[in-house]
Amino acid sequence: RKEVEQDPGPFNVPEGATVAFNCTYSNSASQSFFWYRQDCRKEPKLLMSVYSSGNEDGRFTAQLNRASQYISLLIRDSKLSDSATYLCVVYNNNDMRFGAGTRLTVKP
Amino acid sequence: SAVISQKPSRDICQRGTSLTIQCQVDSQVTMMFWYRQQPGQSLTLIATANQGSEATYESGFVIDKFPISRPNLTFSTLTVSNMSPEDSSIYLCSVESWTGVAYTFGSGTRLTVV
Repeated sequence: RKEVEQDPGPFNVPEGATVAFNCTYSNSASQSFFWYRQDCRKEPKLLMSVYSSGNEDGRFTAQLNRASQYISLLIRDSKLSDSATYLCVVYNNNDMRFGAGTRLTVKP
Repeated sequence: SAVISQKPSRDICQRGTSLTIQCQVDSQVTMMFWYRQQPGQSLTLIATANQGSEATYESGFVIDKFPISRPNLTFSTLTVSNMSPEDSSIYLCSVESWTGVAYTFGSGTRLTVV
């Protein structure tokens, strides 16, 4: 079993749609959780941290369920500029583990 | 967050040769990390580089193939030695962000071995 597993995608959605990505992790001792965004041929960039209470940043909402070892990212009112690969990232004791990423394409 | 300058941005190399990738950070950082991202895949940690000590390598990666230097708190190099086409990949360095956990990445080095 992979340490971090994500929806394989790709997700192709129209502008304005709501899309959700899921991620599960295997290490129950994991301490911190993140969503990164990676544009084509670019480096990954932090999108947002994920907190146990859930957190929102504009159109983006992240949720964490420690009991189920599950993380989600919800994007509302999708924009063309949201097209990218979204990486689920799990951190434990100086060890950062990346999911394989979910590719999102938002179409006009 | 830290600003990382990574170079070269890309290179095409002959098999059997070596390439050294450099990362310069605009602030002092304790740990620097080297990742590889093969086409269509996620990031795999190669090694963690601490200043003043030998790098710590992940399973499947060895010092002879990927020697790392960390001469000070703002700089590190990764060498890909005796390259083969299987080494064609993107190599990225990263450091912890100012928040202390999330990582910031260099812009990556796209390596093609022919």
